[in-house]
Amino acid sequence: GAGVSQSPSNKVTEKGKDVELRCDPISGHTALYWYRQSLGQGLEFLIYFQGNSAPDKSGLPSDRFSAERTGGSVSTLTIQRTQQEDSAVYLCASSLISGGLAGRGAGELFFGEGSRLTVL
Amino acid sequence: SQKIEQNSEALNIQEGKTATLTCNYTNYSPAYLQWYRQDPGRGPVFLLLIRENEKEKRKERLKVTFDTTLKQSLFHITASQPADSATYLCATIDGGFKTIFGAGTRLFVKA
Repeated sequence: GAGVSQSPSNKVTEKGKDVELRCDPISGHTALYWYRQSLGQGLEFLIYFQGNSAPDKSGLPSDRFSAERTGGSVSTLTIQRTQQEDSAVYLCASSLISGGLAGRGAGELFFGEGSRLTVL
Repeated sequence: SQKIEQNSEALNIQEGKTATLTCNYTNYSPAYLQWYRQDPGRGPVFLLLIRENEKEKRKERLKVTFDTTLKQSLFHITASQPADSATYLCATIDGGFKTIFGAGTRLFVKA
């Protein structure tokens, strides 16, 4: 498809299990973001990938969270030993150009529909 | 680091009126501010971007302003409709490479 694709759309897991969330960005987009959104809250920045640069992991809440982006395209967010407070919607976004004003639409993020994670 | 502040209280207005939402940033003047719309259960959708050197930007019934003195952006929806009911998010860049968001303001437009 033409948009950002995320899977699974819903995930229910038991406390202590590991989960993997997948994001397939728009083809050609060099920047990829992960955000977390708890019920009724704003978007909490988690991690950012830009081309071949080292990712900005400054938003990851603990070492149980990790993410990788293979081949500059698909990204996987992994949460190990899940806790109930990890329950949230995890949103992925991609962007053609990030952090600059290189032209029309610079910095515009395209979001997926999110992966809703419920930890019992 | 930069922070974005939006009024957490919901805004209720009557159809046909102008809705005005506020976004304040706390630190340095960013290169640009963005506004997104988010419907329940959906990902945010980009609406408008306004650059630091622009005072105003319009798109159909939407208008955004950028006041570097007040460290504020205002987002206006004129002739509002019930279909405009959603959460509106303000965003900007922090540190040059990451986009951060405010908590969003919920807008309810009553018919």
